[in-house]
This record gives sequence, structure tokens and C-alpha cells, in this order.
Amino acid sequence: QKEVEQNSGPLSVPEGAIASLNCTYSDRGSQSFFWYRQYSGKSPELIMSIYSNGDKEDGRFTAQLNKASQYVSLLIRDSQPSDSATYLCAPKGAGNNRKLIWGLGTSLAVNP
Amino acid sequence: GAVVSQHPSRVICKSGTSVKIECRSLDFQATTMFWYRQFPKKSLMLMATSNEGSKATYEQGVEKDKFLINHASLTLSTLTVTSAHPEDSSFYICSAASLAGGYEQYFGPGTRLTVT
Repeated sequence: QKEVEQNSGPLSVPEGAIASLNCTYSDRGSQSFFWYRQYSGKSPELIMSIYSNGDKEDGRFTAQLNKASQYVSLLIRDSQPSDSATYLCAPKGAGNNRKLIWGLGTSLAVNP
Repeated sequence: GAVVSQHPSRVICKSGTSVKIECRSLDFQATTMFWYRQFPKKSLMLMATSNEGSKATYEQGVEKDKFLINHASLTLSTLTVTSAHPEDSSFYICSAASLAGGYEQYFGPGTRLTVT
């Protein structure tokens, strides 16, 4: 089982729709979770962090966390073509180091 | 806030030469910096973790004598690719974690290395 699993996509949504990105993780000790956006040829950019079960909203983005199900998701409302990118889910592993565990990411395409 | 710079953004070098990449946290102090490598359409691969003032911790399979990391201050880490070969051509990205923050990492813009 991979440590972080994301549907590689591409996930294609029309402009203005809600994009839903999902992620499951295997380390039950993970307590901190991050979503990054990576445009093609660029480095990742932090867009959301979440630490507690439930929802966390920031502008058009909502992160959802369910530790019992080892599931974290990202919703993007009113999707724009500029949201087209790869979205990386990155939990922090249990333990004393500060490493994040990286999935392969989900490619999102927002069609005008 | 949380800006990380990386220099150079692109470098082309000849096989057998060495290349140094600098990573700086511009507006925060970074106790920990990370070096990643990413091949096209592949996931981020962590190469090493460096803490200010101590030796870097390398991931399994990464040659520490080939990829020299120095974290001399709370704002600067360098990666030197020694005796570079064409297979070392890749996108190298650093990230930094704030002394005062949580576990989030802030990434530099990356360095595209081409070895000819």
C-alpha cells in the first residue's frame, strides 16, 4: 500500500464548477496535513494546511480531514482555468523529523 | 511572508564538473531545509534534510559524497552536485521550514540542471 494515494487524473471540470480532490494516507500517526499546488515546470506552492477533523475554509478552497478514515480532501469552488495544475497531498509522518510524505498528485484541468 | 529563493534558476554544465545551488529563506529563519529532485511527470523525491549547524541526513540511495549539502546559517543552505553526469540532469528544489512555524514547507522556485 502506498503511503499517500491520490487519483492521478486528469480530473477535468468546467469553469465555475466545484473540483473535488481526494487523498488517503496510511500512517495513522499523521497529525498535520498540507495541500500544495504545482504548476507544470514550477515548484510546489502551499495552499492549505489542516490539523483537526472537519472542514477548514480559505477563500475558494476547503480542506476536509477525517483521521478515522485516514482521508483528506480539497474542494475548489468556482474553479477557474488558472486552477489547472497538479495538487499534492502531503501529510507529515509520525515521528520526530519534519519530513512530509508526498503523493503523486492529482492533475486538475479546468475547461473554459 | 515565507519566501524562499533559489539560485541559479537554470544551469548547464559539462559532464565531470561541479555545480552549486543556493537556497535562501528571505523573511524567516529556517531551522530545517530540504532538498528534492523531480524528474518530468514524477513525484517529488526527497534527497536530504539539513538542519542548521549539523550534518545533513540523506535518504536511502542518495550518495552523500556526490550531493554535498551545507546548511551554514538559519537562512542559507547549499547543494553541490559534484562530478555531474547527464543522469543528474533534473529539477532540483529546496524547501524550508520555519523556526517558529509548524511542519509546513515553503519551496524555492527550483533549479533546472542540464548536464551535457
